[in-house]
Amino acid sequence: GQNIDQPTEMTATEGAIVQINCTYQTSGFNGLFWYQQHAGEAPTFLSYNVLDGLEEKGRFSSFLSRSKGYSYLLLKELQMKDSASYLCAVRDRRDDKIIFGKGTRLHILP
Amino acid sequence: DAGVIQSPRHEVTEMGQEVTLRCKPISGHDYLFWYRQTMMRGLELLIYFNNNVPIDDSGMPEDRFSAKMPNASFSTLKIQPSEPRDSAVYFCASILSGISGGAGRGDTQYFGPGTRLTVL
Repeated sequence: GQNIDQPTEMTATEGAIVQINCTYQTSGFNGLFWYQQHAGEAPTFLSYNVLDGLEEKGRFSSFLSRSKGYSYLLLKELQMKDSASYLCAVRDRRDDKIIFGKGTRLHILP
Repeated sequence: DAGVIQSPRHEVTEMGQEVTLRCKPISGHDYLFWYRQTMMRGLELLIYFNNNVPIDDSGMPEDRFSAKMPNASFSTLKIQPSEPRDSAVYFCASILSGISGGAGRGDTQYFGPGTRLTVL
């Protein structure tokens, strides 16, 4: 089976940097996704990691360590519009299932 | 492209009634997923299809739930009879898999806007 853990809530200040961690256990890892979800809206894709290392995409970066079952999403130069939930999701190699964590609600303070 | 389309966007019904949720995936996508989202349980995978064939329905909570995909452009999720604990947002998502087959590396799930279901 799979188990995905991420903090329930985090608070950060506009203009600052925040790191959202995700740990996972899976029998057959085949990629990790980060999604952003604003209240009342659908999740939207942010990033994908399948190999170890850092993937950078503008203000957002995602890191993966497969040996540690660990990933983080790094958000720089925070803006008020970054207030949202951030979902970590893992794909299982055996059946292509994509399982989501419960998400981290990020609050941005002015 | 119109993206994934779901209907209705909101549904309010009474306990015991049948509810049918509809989804039109992005044209050409070969995987379709149904999720349910609640505050308590987060985003849960209910069932997914590949080329219209159900692959895994182990997430379907009980026999009251059923899903079909009669063709590549349409899927339904039915709850009969509905119960108050079924109240949630139901999302449909689709993927265009990689050339190598299966949901390949980096395939991005595109989510529909969701159906907010309230069972009184």
